[in-house]
Amino acid sequence: AQKVTQAQTEISVVEKEDVTLDCVYETRDTTYYLFWYKQPPSGELVFLIRRNSFDEQNEISGRYSWNFQKSTSSFNFTITASQVVDSAVYFCALRPYNFNKFYFGSGTKLNVKP
Amino acid sequence: EAGVAQSPRYKIIEKRQSVAFWCNPISGHATLYWYQQILGQGPKLLIQFQNNGVVDDSQLPKDRFSAERLKGVDSTLKIQPAKLEDSAVYLCASSTAVGGSNEQYFGPGTRLTVT
Repeated sequence: AQKVTQAQTEISVVEKEDVTLDCVYETRDTTYYLFWYKQPPSGELVFLIRRNSFDEQNEISGRYSWNFQKSTSSFNFTITASQVVDSAVYFCALRPYNFNKFYFGSGTKLNVKP
Repeated sequence: EAGVAQSPRYKIIEKRQSVAFWCNPISGHATLYWYQQILGQGPKLLIQFQNNGVVDDSQLPKDRFSAERLKGVDSTLKIQPAKLEDSAVYLCASSTAVGGSNEQYFGPGTRLTVT
């Protein structure tokens, strides 16, 4: 069975604070992809990152960084020096390698206050 | 490159009425998906097309929902008759193929309110 859990329903921070969004997944597949998407109030899902199960290197892109730990089945997302424009709902998702079905978590709503 | 287009963006109907949503995927994308996203939840796949054939419709409530992609390009999702619990955002996505590193690109969604 495939499952993605985002235990944090909503997080509020003040601008310039760092914030980490947690994602824990379950899968029996040995090969899979993990994703993070951002959903601003406009509603469109914006792709942030894709990570395959073979690559456990952490990744940094500007103020965003991702920590993939296969041992704990986690793929956490950190925003450094948060900004008001980061306010959105963030979704973690799992996709088996040879199957294009996404399994989304329930999302974490991030509120960044000025 | 143009993204995934959806229309309408918003729709309000009364229960038991019918409604249809349209999606035009990114040019050249063979795979098209319809998702239902209820407020406070992640998107749930309703149906997946590969060209004009259905790959997965296991979570589509077939007694009231139908979808087609007749020419393998744009697609229509219909609800007939609508229920209150169908109030949600309906997202369309497309990708170049099934599996591998192909990622899905999402449209802006259609927000449906059933009163």
